[in-house]
Amino acid sequence: GAGVSQTPSNKVTEKGKYVELRCDPISGHTALYWYRQSLGQGPEFLIYFQGTGAADDSGLPNDRFFAVRPEGSVSTLKIQRTERGDSAVYLCASSFTGTGSYNEQFFGPGTRLTVL
Amino acid sequence: SQQGEEDPQALSIQEGENATMNCSYKTSINNLQWYRQNSGRGLVHLILIRSNEREKHSGRLRVTLDTSKKSSSLLITASRAADTASYFCATDQNSGYSTLTFGKGTMLLVSP
Repeated sequence: GAGVSQTPSNKVTEKGKYVELRCDPISGHTALYWYRQSLGQGPEFLIYFQGTGAADDSGLPNDRFFAVRPEGSVSTLKIQRTERGDSAVYLCASSFTGTGSYNEQFFGPGTRLTVL
Repeated sequence: SQQGEEDPQALSIQEGENATMNCSYKTSINNLQWYRQNSGRGLVHLILIRSNEREKHSGRLRVTLDTSKKSSSLLITASRAADTASYFCATDQNSGYSTLTFGKGTMLLVSP
């Protein structure tokens, strides 16, 4: 049983460029989450998918950020016109159902994004 | 925004000693979870305590929850150098589905 995987592990880009970050959740997990973690801070929620649909995207900071999960498995976080302030570790997590009082989320190793 | 606040921000102890970290939060919760993070990368789930539970044990870990004070504590007994990491509490609020709200974390350093 593979865990959550994320690619790339590191991404360096220039200000203004477009980036895509990929997340492969644990097989069979219907819920998928994206978080962002800045240096010295805890992870902050970005978006939550239940199946193919974004059930809650209230954490996305602005319209430069977008995420998809077209087949209910792999998800891609897309950032347009990157800014230096977007530099952070982007974490993906998945869980079996996303609901209930015992909803353990399994995290991937993260993608460290650096915007120069 | 951050819901939880861990205390202390940093903790340095010797191997064999116990480490206690505290977490306070602001709103009602469904459950509270503790995670460990090494080197600023992937988070490892340690333990989950539901809002109707007061104490839970897992190996060398003991977690308490006081919903009246909106606080939780994580105790690591007989610490080892390998316990060196950042520890985060995360709350799962009563929103019908689960999204975690993390604190800023406690950096624990266990010296041999």
